[in-house]
Amino acid sequence: SYDLTQPPSVSVSPGQTASITCSGDKLGNKFTCWYQQKPGQSPVLVIYQDNKRPSGIPDRFSGSNSGNTATLTISGTQTMDEADYYCQAWDSNAAVFGGGTKLTVL
Amino acid sequence: QMQLQESGPGLVKPSETLSLTCSVSGGSISSSSYFWDWIRQPPGKGLEWIASIYYTGGTYYNPSLKSRVTISVDLSKDQFSLRLTSVTAADTAVYYCARRHIERAGNWFDPWGQGTLVTVSS
Repeated sequence: SYDLTQPPSVSVSPGQTASITCSGDKLGNKFTCWYQQKPGQSPVLVIYQDNKRPSGIPDRFSGSNSGNTATLTISGTQTMDEADYYCQAWDSNAAVFGGGTKLTVL
Repeated sequence: QMQLQESGPGLVKPSETLSLTCSVSGGSISSSSYFWDWIRQPPGKGLEWIASIYYTGGTYYNPSLKSRVTISVDLSKDQFSLRLTSVTAADTAVYYCARRHIERAGNWFDPWGQGTLVTVSS
């Protein structure tokens, strides 16, 4: 089965840039998306097709994907960005999620 | 704006069958642009994809759950459903339904339902 690996946690100071990685074999050959999940809430799509933002998602969220690693970057991180983030890709007609990264803004 | 709402029992006994329904509003389930999916999240853990269905009835399943899962669609009611047989405590989770956008350049889930907690316990 295909695996996506994320760091369990990332910390960032308000106003700084946070980077969350997602690693998988030849991940750059697949399209990756990212979801934000705050406590007690459903996941929300923040990046799709590697680097596109849905309407309503602030432009401080950006994404990239190359080689074996996809990266979610949050520029000028705000306290409201504190959440769990999940990467997701498709392999053999099955959706695969990364284990999730808890972003702490402090 | 499309909304999805899960419904079903919040408590299921071990070895029994879990059945959930997702009701779609604000749009038709009979669209060629989307699949309709179930995803779950055990308490305190990550997301696990369960199954997908197209409005024509085409399905995809998570290989690890395939032997126990059935997904179905009711076009007349704009609903799709999940059945998971022989449940154990490991199936305790928040179950989400979601619309999956399908394009040549990747698929993604948006929006998601609010989720429903299903506990497996006697």
